[in-house]
Amino acid sequence: TQLLEQSPQFLSIQEGENLTVYCNSSSVFSSLQWYRQEPGEGPVLLVTVVTGGEVKKLKRLTFQFGDARKDSSLHITAAQTGDTGLYLCAGASGSARQLTFGSGTQLTVLP
Amino acid sequence: DAGVIQSPRHEVTEMGQEVTLRCKPISGHDYLFWYRQTMMRGLELLIYFNNNVPIDDSGMPEDRFSAKMPNASFSTLKIQPSEPRDSAVYFCASRLRTALFNYGYTFGSGTRLTVV
Repeated sequence: TQLLEQSPQFLSIQEGENLTVYCNSSSVFSSLQWYRQEPGEGPVLLVTVVTGGEVKKLKRLTFQFGDARKDSSLHITAAQTGDTGLYLCAGASGSARQLTFGSGTQLTVLP
Repeated sequence: DAGVIQSPRHEVTEMGQEVTLRCKPISGHDYLFWYRQTMMRGLELLIYFNNNVPIDDSGMPEDRFSAKMPNASFSTLKIQPSEPRDSAVYFCASRLRTALFNYGYTFGSGTRLTVV
């Protein structure tokens, strides 16, 4: 079974601060995705990274895929209250590239 | 498109009763996935279909769980008999095979199941 461990599990910060969330595995994935989930809703895709060492930026969010394609990080600059949510990483593998999800990081940004 | 539609949004049932969860994927998507989310175990893949055919059901916890996809626009997940430990949020997601990198999975809003 492929496992994805995320850290920290919970994070509470003030608006304007920076933060980094980590996603680690002992397995290699063909690609890795980050999702954000809000209460009462399903996860929504933020980004997909495919190449080892790849860095993608989405406004204040920066995503990095590890060189060995086993780990990833999400960095948020100048967090806003609207960034509050559950952040999930998911590794794709198998013929159907089915996703294995990490345990999640619950982020709370306080005003 | 209205996205992935799941029903009901909430279900409360007594232990031993049959529960049926429903999902309508996005039109044209050829993969459908059922996931279960709990605080303890996070999001777990239960089963997935490709072109209405079940491909991998190794995540289905027990024989009490079954899933069907009679056509491209409808799938059900059934639990019979239900037990309190089945309480969770059940998500359905669909995907176009060629679009994983651009669009990923599209999830429904989930069904929150409570078995008392």
